[in-house]
Amino acid sequence: DAGITQSPRHKVTETGTPVTLRCHQTENHRYMYWYRQDPGHGLRLIHYSYGVKDTDKGEVSDGYSVSRSKTEDFLLTLESATSSQTSVYFCAISGSSGEAKTQYFGPGTRLLVL
Amino acid sequence: GNSVTQMEGPVTLSEEAFLTINCTYTATGYPSLFWYVQYPGEGLQLLLKATKADDKGSNKGFEATYRKETTSFHLEKGSVQVSDSAVYFCALSESAGGTSYGKLTFGQGTILTVHP
Repeated sequence: DAGITQSPRHKVTETGTPVTLRCHQTENHRYMYWYRQDPGHGLRLIHYSYGVKDTDKGEVSDGYSVSRSKTEDFLLTLESATSSQTSVYFCAISGSSGEAKTQYFGPGTRLLVL
Repeated sequence: GNSVTQMEGPVTLSEEAFLTINCTYTATGYPSLFWYVQYPGEGLQLLLKATKADDKGSNKGFEATYRKETTSFHLEKGSVQVSDSAVYFCALSESAGGTSYGKLTFGQGTILTVHP
């Protein structure tokens, strides 16, 4: 299994509070991604990174920001959480050459915004 | 833009039944196609993939063939087991060239339940 951890694994927070989710990898992979999983929508890309300090928006980036100051860590921040951001969040990683374009997923973080 | 459509679920089968989960896609260029599986309470795991037309991906008895003419990548298994109960996701990745960065577009997922 790819070495990907996410923290916290579960979080309950209140509307309007900031929340930061962490993804940590031990594979030294270049690409990292944040997705959210909601019933009926599959997984949707929030933000992704193609290198240290190199990030870009995905399909559902509104209300989220990311940072990547080192290869192994990719942080997702909800600046002011809303109930619509209640979801399961998955981090994924991918290498930098053809065969390694396969993405490997972390165990997920279940977030409840009250 | 890219999109992936999976057959509506949930799918309920008896053990040893034949499984088909349909997946069709819309994409520009020549995407790679994937099936991921998610067991209860876990993250997604790659089940199989195909990177060009007519390629067949296979793993653990599951198969899918990349059909460019019908823009499809249907998942099949000849004899399902209770342990195959999970959520199955079809996904595509834009062509490796250019600046796609390997982003995945997912279908909505199909819940499979297999009864003894």
